[in-house]
Amino acid sequence: DQQVKQNSPSLSVQEGRISILNCDYTNSMFDYFLWYKKYPAEGPTFLISISSIKDKNEDGRFTVFLNKSAKHLSLHIVPSQPGDSAVYFCAARRIQGAQKLVFGQGTRLTINP
Amino acid sequence: ETGVTQSPTHLIKTRGQQVTLRCSSQSGHNTVSWYQQALGQGPQFIFQYYREEENGRGNFPPRFSGLQFPNYSSELNVNALELDDSALYLCASSLFPTDEKLFFGSGTQLSVL
Repeated sequence: DQQVKQNSPSLSVQEGRISILNCDYTNSMFDYFLWYKKYPAEGPTFLISISSIKDKNEDGRFTVFLNKSAKHLSLHIVPSQPGDSAVYFCAARRIQGAQKLVFGQGTRLTINP
Repeated sequence: ETGVTQSPTHLIKTRGQQVTLRCSSQSGHNTVSWYQQALGQGPQFIFQYYREEENGRGNFPPRFSGLQFPNYSSELNVNALELDDSALYLCASSLFPTDEKLFFGSGTQLSVL
């Protein structure tokens, strides 16, 4: 049962343009959502998060949007830079069992010069 | 500040064998979580250790077990290895059990033949 889904395995974007990565979830008990970035041969690194009581959170070039009614979140990167090329994982957490993160399958983002 | 380190980086075992993976947590972190990442999938929660006790477990059989030591380092043990255990095993440390900002190591790539 895939509770967090990233339906696009890959995405290619021109440098300087906006990258939009999408994530859907099925469990309405999730209260916190996160994005992690992973480079080859490295572990995932925390990027940005959002609580379920908010619908937007910004950190520099990165913005996460949450649509609770649609059970959908997205990560916007603008402007996209070559160093953003990586695999991006969406993750979610429930209040009960909060020590466990549920990850999506990941989206490989490639930024083209 | 020392990051999360895992050893070994790669390991090849045969079906039925046992394996031990090791993890040193980031300085100041008392919580360690283990995740399994199969090819093309997101990380999946195995269990978490806090103050040397198991503090939450995912859908993994008892042949997956762990330890945490007084210095907060941790081991993941897998008995009776199966072919499907082939995966990247990620260790993550955090400041406290419900901290969503996990600091991951680079992982141990386990191949079971």
